[in-house]
Amino acid sequence: LAKTTQPISMDSYEGQEVNITCSHNNIATNDYITWYQQFPSQGPRFIIQGYKTKVTNEVASLFIPADRKSSTLSLPRVSLSDTAVYYCLVVFSGAGSYQLTFGKGTKLSVIP
Amino acid sequence: DTEVTQTPKHLVMGMTNKKSLKCEQHMGHRAMYWYKQKAKKPPELMFVYSYEKLSINESVPSRFSPECPNSSLLNLHLHALQPEDSALYLCASSLTGASGNTIYFGEGSWLTVV
Repeated sequence: LAKTTQPISMDSYEGQEVNITCSHNNIATNDYITWYQQFPSQGPRFIIQGYKTKVTNEVASLFIPADRKSSTLSLPRVSLSDTAVYYCLVVFSGAGSYQLTFGKGTKLSVIP
Repeated sequence: DTEVTQTPKHLVMGMTNKKSLKCEQHMGHRAMYWYKQKAKKPPELMFVYSYEKLSINESVPSRFSPECPNSSLLNLHLHALQPEDSALYLCASSLTGASGNTIYFGEGSWLTVV
């Protein structure tokens, strides 16, 4: 069963850069990695998606090493409003089917 | 526009009631999903529709019945639910079901079974 693994929780001070790593050892050639942010009582919000190397948008960067067995979400200069749960999602595909299973998520607490 | 709209936002139903959750998207997406999320847990996949056909059913009890009337709409019909079915139900969509197509989520429908 393919799965993703993330740290359960992280703390950071305001203004710091936060890096959250997700491991996905069974990732296949065609699989992408997507990160979501979720606040209590809301649906997951798309942050960033990537396939290899580095992807950057206006809110985050995603680093994926050559072997693609892990990925790191980087949030620059976090603020209190970044306190949320962050999920890594890999759509594992292969053998005519695919699995859309979230990891357990990382609860990020930003401290003033 | 990456909006997935879910109604109602809150629903309270008795164990003998029949109700439905509705989901709509106008992004031209051909894959639509239902997820269930309990408190402090990640979303769990229930169903996937691809081109209006059910492609994945994650062994969900028959008291949950999905329906995809057209490419923009997805319903979840609820009947004879149990209190443990109380959860946040999330609808999502993507261009197709293939990896690489971003899955966008709605804000969810909070269901309470009494």
